[in-house]
Amino acid sequence: IAGITQAPTSQILAAGRRMTLRCTQDMRHNAMYWYRQDLGLGLRLIHYSNTAGTTGKGEVPDGYSVSRANTDDFPLTLASAVPSQTSVYFCASRVSGSTDTQYFGPGTRLTVL
Amino acid sequence: GENVEQHPSTLSVQEGDSAVIKCTYSDSASNYFPWYKQELGKGPQLIIDIRSNVGEKKDQRIAVTLNKTAKHFSLHITETQPEDSAVYFCAASRTGNQFYFGTGTSLTVIP
Repeated sequence: IAGITQAPTSQILAAGRRMTLRCTQDMRHNAMYWYRQDLGLGLRLIHYSNTAGTTGKGEVPDGYSVSRANTDDFPLTLASAVPSQTSVYFCASRVSGSTDTQYFGPGTRLTVL
Repeated sequence: GENVEQHPSTLSVQEGDSAVIKCTYSDSASNYFPWYKQELGKGPQLIIDIRSNVGEKKDQRIAVTLNKTAKHFSLHITETQPEDSAVYFCAASRTGNQFYFGTGTSLTVIP
């Protein structure tokens, strides 16, 4: 069992380019999340999905979009990247319907120049 | 929305000593408080959690206390070891949809 995988591990991107960060989990968790982690700011929620077919906005959703076509995959798309989106991005999942904890992926380090 | 504050931002202790990290939260409806450990280059990993109907929880050298009246909770690590060195995050949640994280504490255990 791999848990949560994220791809790519790291990426350097020119401003204005489109980028999709991939996240896949094999734990059959209903809920999935995308966070960004910036120094001094901790983890901030971008978008979440309680179940396949539904998504919701977190604290910092602007400039990002997500989709949840199935239980396992939760891609995050930057339609037109800007330097302020330089960050480390973490995907997480948990069993929806309880307050049980989230399991995090290894992260994607994104640099927008 | 919820606001979680975490202190200190950095903490150095001698091996064998105790470490305490404190968090406060603003939303009295928050009812779940996990603590995560993050090692360099890795994602956060749950180390202990507590729900609002419990005042204290312990797991070997790690314990968490919760004071709902004062809206603060703390992580206690006893008999620290060099492998405890990491960044620790607290979080608060009331719906399970949104988890609000503190800004992290970088713990260094000096051998």
